[in-house]
Amino acid sequence: DAKTTQPNSMESNEEEPVHLPCNHSTISGTDYIHWYRQLPSQGPEYVIHGLTSNVNNRMASLAIAEDRKSSTLILHRATLRDAAVYYCILRGDNTGNQFYFGTGTSLTVIP
Amino acid sequence: GAGVSQSPRYKVTKRGQDVALRCDPISGHVSLYWYRQALGQGPEFLTYFNYEAQQDKSGLPNDRFSAERPEGSISTLTIQRTEQRDSAMYRCASTPGTYFSPLHFGNGTRLTVT
Repeated sequence: DAKTTQPNSMESNEEEPVHLPCNHSTISGTDYIHWYRQLPSQGPEYVIHGLTSNVNNRMASLAIAEDRKSSTLILHRATLRDAAVYYCILRGDNTGNQFYFGTGTSLTVIP
Repeated sequence: GAGVSQSPRYKVTKRGQDVALRCDPISGHVSLYWYRQALGQGPEFLTYFNYEAQQDKSGLPNDRFSAERPEGSISTLTIQRTEQRDSAMYRCASTPGTYFSPLHFGNGTRLTVT
């Protein structure tokens, strides 16, 4: 049970910002929001995580809604190397440690 | 330090044979996860361990699948009497164990059952 909802696919032009949405309406207070991505023919890799506040790192930004029922992964300037499947995952007391991946959003970057 | 190591990278076996897939997690990582991934699909949770204790095996498809982590480090996923439908990429991941700790994945084992 993934407990998150993401669009199946999205497209972006190269060098433009990309906003990848995730709905998690059943999130509990202790659930962290994690994002992973999987490049073609590779294993999933960690992107970013947050609890309540917006987060930034060298890969991306994570914007978390005030009610925490949704979040958005922001890639500030999409490159061709960002073409991947992006997964939004909850992890905490409500979800235990199962780390369910769901189907994710397949991002296509157009040159 | 070394990342998560899985062996073998590729395994071809005949239907009915048993296979053992190995995962060597990052040193000190408490939790270890096994996933199965079919082509074009997301990773499917199989089971996970905290130290040597198997915490959840609800994702194992049937009793032909088993996993162990006897000393809280290296883990083995065993599939008995393999079937063609078992063909997939099997991925292992480890994490320090807290809710905010990321998963670190190995390169996976590609299993093909002929």
